[in-house]
Amino acid sequence: EPEVTQTPSHQVTQMGQEVILRCVPISNHLYFYWYRQILGQKVEFLVSFYNNEISEKSEIFDDQFSVERPDGSNFTLKIRSTKLEDSAMYFCASSEGARGLSGNYGYTFGSGTRLTVV
Amino acid sequence: AQSVSQHNHHVILSEAASLELGCNYSYGGTVNLFWYVQYPGQHLQLLLKYFSGDPLVKGIKGFEAEFIKSKFSFNLRKPSVQWSDTAEYFCAVKGGGSQGNLIFGKGTKLSVKP
Repeated sequence: EPEVTQTPSHQVTQMGQEVILRCVPISNHLYFYWYRQILGQKVEFLVSFYNNEISEKSEIFDDQFSVERPDGSNFTLKIRSTKLEDSAMYFCASSEGARGLSGNYGYTFGSGTRLTVV
Repeated sequence: AQSVSQHNHHVILSEAASLELGCNYSYGGTVNLFWYVQYPGQHLQLLLKYFSGDPLVKGIKGFEAEFIKSKFSFNLRKPSVQWSDTAEYFCAVKGGGSQGNLIFGKGTKLSVKP
């Protein structure tokens, strides 16, 4: 079964440093997402990406965050200057599209990257 | 704005007990509804989803959920839980108008005692 792959699985970084979280979505999916889950809290939507541009973003996704699809396979989330409160599990997801080729919304999540800011 | 409420923060059951986890959402239009499970140390996995049609949806591992439009609810059920069902369960909703982002509930932690 196709998977969404995220690397690294765990990253520790110092406050103020830049981090890049990497994701390889499912190859025929068109929509890409980042979500995060702070320990003990709910999963929160950060951003969605379609046709090489951001299609929707939450208020969490401020100027410190950016996303990129640098090539045909990777989808990255960059945090420019990390803060302690950025410590969370970051999930990448992809879906076929707004309606999907099969008429359904086929979301698939990656295993997550645990980001620890110290 | 859309929101999802999960009533129980932590549910503790013995094996073979029946399970029902509550989920209510607020959104006036057409919705797509999901239940995800997160086993310890693992990623989110889709249990089941509702788009349209039969409001009683059957998912993997013996789970089912019923969409009750009048109550804005999508409760998850399983007649007999197993120790391996110990996990966190998340209800999520997507409104028909948005690009595709999901709104998650806070999650319910299920602990099943052997």
